[in-house]
Amino acid sequence: GENVEQHPSTLSVQEGDSAVIKCTYSDSASNYFPWYKQELGKRPQLIIDIRSNVGEKKDQRIAVTLNKTAKHFSLHITETQPEDSAVYFCAARPANDYKLSFGAGTTVTVRA
Amino acid sequence: NAGVTQTPKFQVLKTGQSMTLQCAQDMNHEYMSWYRQDPGMGLRLIHYSVGAGITDQGEVPNGYNVSRSTTEDFPLRLLSAAPSQTSVYFCASSYSGALDTQYFGPGTRLTVL
Repeated sequence: GENVEQHPSTLSVQEGDSAVIKCTYSDSASNYFPWYKQELGKRPQLIIDIRSNVGEKKDQRIAVTLNKTAKHFSLHITETQPEDSAVYFCAARPANDYKLSFGAGTTVTVRA
Repeated sequence: NAGVTQTPKFQVLKTGQSMTLQCAQDMNHEYMSWYRQDPGMGLRLIHYSVGAGITDQGEVPNGYNVSRSTTEDFPLRLLSAAPSQTSVYFCASSYSGALDTQYFGPGTRLTVL
């Protein structure tokens, strides 16, 4: 099955700086890569996703890049704000499978 | 729409007890799934369903049963609770399993003593 690895496990950034989280996946058939944000005590919520026919996608301060050759994808948060503090999960799903495999998560802390 | 709902929010069990975690969605989603979340391990898939009457195992199915008699409901049964099943359980649904957004319920925090 799909195996997703996520780094770093924790990330502390100064408010206004950028944060980058990287994930690798094992199954070359994966074609859907969502990112979820989970605030303390809350449910995971989708913040952005990318499909395999696209190399980059942006939504305001958030961007995701995908390198299918290297089998890795990254989340970039620019101009970080205190409300960006949360746990972020990457995930991957093969084209021939319904199952979504998650990374272990990155705890992001934005220092004021 | 209420979205994805789960009950109870919190539960404490003794080892060997059984119980059912409830999950329901009102979005007419075909795909539903159960995950458990443990510190440092992300979200691990327990069981999933691609439609009423169809269920399949995920990554960590042992000790859990599911059924899908209706599109709306997808209960998770713990047959004989063990301390290793102490976790936060999330139910999720999507319109289809393929490229659609998966929506999560609020979670159930289960402690097994």
